Amino acid sequence: SQELEQSPQSLIVQEGKNLTINCTSSKTLYGLYWYKQKYGEGLIFLMMLQKGGEEKSHEKITAKLDEKKQQSSLHITASQPSHAGIYLCGAANFGNEKLTFGTGTRLTIIP
Amino acid sequence: GAGVSQSPSNKVTEKGKDVELRCDPISGHTALYWYRQSLGQGLEFLIYFQGNSAPDKSGLPSDRFSAERTGGSVSTLTIQRTQQEDSAVYLCASSFRGSQYFGPGTRLTVL
Repeated sequence: SQELEQSPQSLIVQEGKNLTINCTSSKTLYGLYWYKQKYGEGLIFLMMLQKGGEEKSHEKITAKLDEKKQQSSLHITASQPSHAGIYLCGAANFGNEKLTFGTGTRLTIIP
Repeated sequence: GAGVSQSPSNKVTEKGKDVELRCDPISGHTALYWYRQSLGQGLEFLIYFQGNSAPDKSGLPSDRFSAERTGGSVSTLTIQRTQQEDSAVYLCASSFRGSQYFGPGTRLTVL
């Protein structure tokens, strides 16, 4: 079965600084999703990447997919308190859309 | 509403009782998913409905778990004879053309 490893597991960043979260798959990636979760809430869809080399941006968050490395990275520029939460990557399996998720990265933003 | 909704938001039950969790997907979304999020296991796929096709039940942990989707819309996840290890947050998602959108979840506590 596919496994996703996220790094780091936890990240504490000063407000205004940039940061990167990585997601590495044990198998070929056919689709990679990024979600954000705050305690007690559901998952907020951020981005979906489907093609090798694809890069998407939304506000100050950019995600890239490196198909050859079976890896995706999520980059936040000029972090804000609203960025705090748990970031989860999810990978789709070939032929279906059920997702396997990484263990998450807990992001804390300090003033 | 515009998003996926789930009810109840919290459910506390006694071991051995049956529970039903409800999911209302986004209107027009053909695919519906159930996931479970627990401390020890992270976010796990349970079951997937796509249109009129037979559901993919490969993630259901035991035969105590079942789900149905009526009229291609609302879904109910039923857990019979609940056990303490069933305690978790149960998340529902719906999708159209790939992007999965999650509901706020139902937090189930089995005493």
